Amino acid sequence: EIVLTQSPATLSLSPGERATLSCRASQSVSSYLAWYQQKPGQAPRLLIYDASNRATGIPARFSGSGSGTDFTLTISSLEPEDFAVYYCQQRSNWPQTFGQGTKLEIK
Amino acid sequence: QVQLQESGPGLVKPSQTLSLTCTVSGGSISSGGYYWSWIRQHPGKGLEWIGYIYYSGSTYYNPSLKSRVTISVDTSKNQFSLKLSSVTAADTAVYYCARDISLWGQGTLVTVSS
Repeated sequence: EIVLTQSPATLSLSPGERATLSCRASQSVSSYLAWYQQKPGQAPRLLIYDASNRATGIPARFSGSGSGTDFTLTISSLEPEDFAVYYCQQRSNWPQTFGQGTKLEIK
Repeated sequence: QVQLQESGPGLVKPSQTLSLTCTVSGGSISSGGYYWSWIRQHPGKGLEWIGYIYYSGSTYYNPSLKSRVTISVDTSKNQFSLKLSSVTAADTAVYYCARDISLWGQGTLVTVSS
């Protein structure tokens, strides 16, 4: 099973700042890496699929990059509604696995 | 647009079988080449893929749960279902159904307790 390690566990930033979240895979997942946002009491929402493609309706301030084992989710300028938990997920190998999450909190 | 909704008992006794159904509305479960999944999230924890059923009927189960899991589809009702046998408190979680990676239900909390 592929293990995804996210860093940092918690990121404290202010609205308007740039956020950079990392996800590292225990083996190559090619570009089959997705990013989700989850708010309390809600299901995860797909932000990015196949490493760098924004899902339908996702604002342009969200961008993804990387391939192989190292991936990054960047939020260019944080809006108040962006403070949430973010998960990465790989679909290169079954079972699909998720990272443990990065909590983005208001500083 | 397509929506998914989980339903089933919110409380299950230890050693019994957890049974959940996902109803798909706004589209046919048997069209489009999608895979239909169950995913769970333990309280305050991360996400775990339970398994999926492909539109053709083929299934895949997470090896960590394979001996206890069955996923099936009822195309006449546009539903797919999860059965997890011999549950323990460790199976207490929010259970989500999903289509591929992009469309999720709202989730349903299942508590295992006597």
